[in-house]
Amino acid sequence: QVQLVESGGGVVQPGRSLRLSCAVSGFTFSTSDMHWVRQAPGKGLEWVAGIWDDGSKKHYVDAVKGRFTISRDISKNTLYLHMNSLRVEDTAVYYCAREGHVVGLDYWGQGTLVTVSS
Amino acid sequence: DIVMTQTPLSLPVTPGEPASISCRSSQSLLDSGDGTTYLDWYVQKPGQSPQPLIYTVSFGASGVPDRFSGSGSGTAFTLKISRVEAEDVGIYYCMQRKEFPFTFGPGTKVEIK
Repeated sequence: QVQLVESGGGVVQPGRSLRLSCAVSGFTFSTSDMHWVRQAPGKGLEWVAGIWDDGSKKHYVDAVKGRFTISRDISKNTLYLHMNSLRVEDTAVYYCAREGHVVGLDYWGQGTLVTVSS
Repeated sequence: DIVMTQTPLSLPVTPGEPASISCRSSQSLLDSGDGTTYLDWYVQKPGQSPQPLIYTVSFGASGVPDRFSGSGSGTAFTLKISRVEAEDVGIYYCMQRKEFPFTFGPGTKVEIK
């Protein structure tokens, strides 16, 4: 049974940092490209970051470049999103998702809410 | 970045009737290197995470009922529901993954009349 479980969300002040985690099971993490997608309250989906299966390449949406870092720990079957210099506009539910290459984002987590507010 | 648009943004439907959503991209989603068009459809049902519907234009994701179908090429794509059921209520998104950053359409809210 495939599971992606995000954690680490919460309320944080602008300018502070937060690290999100996504623990996965039920598929081979080491051969899967992984992504973070977010959804601001009442808004649509926004792709945030992606990392290749071997961690060799990482991509980001412009809005988070230089502030967010995606990483993975194969030994822990866990994906991370390190978020620095958080802004009010980063407030959203953050989902991790697996990319099954041809089949797209085929598995999604339940999401974790990040609220940036003073 | 590739801009994705969808029409309509709101779609009231009658159970048993067909429904159709259009998606357009600002650039072709055909990858000339491998011949694949990287356009997917996702649905987010109320209170749930997004889930896959259609990948690479026309292939149904695992477990998706065959009343859902996708078509199109280049920059114009369509998602069709042959006979809408009450459980199909939700927001439908197209997404391109031909190049980074991946981008989603604004979403089409499907609701029962």
